[in-house]
Amino acid sequence: ETGVTQTPRHLVMGMTNKKSLKCEQHLGHNAMYWYKQSAKKPLELMFVYSLEERVENNSVPSRFSPECPNSSHLFLHLHTLQPEDSALYLCASSPGTRSGWGTDTQYFGPGTRLTVL
Amino acid sequence: SQQGEEDPQALSIQEGENATMNCSYKTSINNLQWYRQNSGRGLVHLILIRSNEREKHSGRLRVTLDTSKKSSSLLITASRAADTASYFCATDDAQAGTALIFGKGTTLSVSS
Repeated sequence: ETGVTQTPRHLVMGMTNKKSLKCEQHLGHNAMYWYKQSAKKPLELMFVYSLEERVENNSVPSRFSPECPNSSHLFLHLHTLQPEDSALYLCASSPGTRSGWGTDTQYFGPGTRLTVL
Repeated sequence: SQQGEEDPQALSIQEGENATMNCSYKTSINNLQWYRQNSGRGLVHLILIRSNEREKHSGRLRVTLDTSKKSSSLLITASRAADTASYFCATDDAQAGTALIFGKGTTLSVSS
């Protein structure tokens, strides 16, 4: 148990559905991250929020929409996904502030296994 | 471009043997971290070594860092079946100041 929870753990959705992934951290951290992990590919950083402000957005398609209402919660809203978006989506948090989050140790949730049909 | 690359991609050993994984990176770094991932789960932080450190130990783990060669190694001594997992190195880019970049990982299989 790392102090980072993710729901749901598994999600199957059609290409026309709208769903949301939720991440919550109980560590008092200031930075939160979304990653995509596909088979045989490196972990892909999608979004970074530091103190509830988006500080990094790595050319992610607009069908993925992040939301960070406070420093403990992070959402990833999904709509009109493609089958190639099927992957394990990992949330992580770290202690950092805007100037220092890049070198932080990250604490990961268990992930949401997403399947797009 | 990818920052960290682990070698080998896969490693199979017997219980009790040592496992060594290597990581190479491209830019100057502030620190290098190693993470472990059990199948289909989240990553767990194992150890962090700063750019001014050469070696660090944590239990059965030994990490070395050679900044002149831009490489690191993770040694797991006296391996156990429970060590079966994927191991990733992650580095920051000291100049760009971006988030950690993870390699593709080494998949370790320890058989009893």
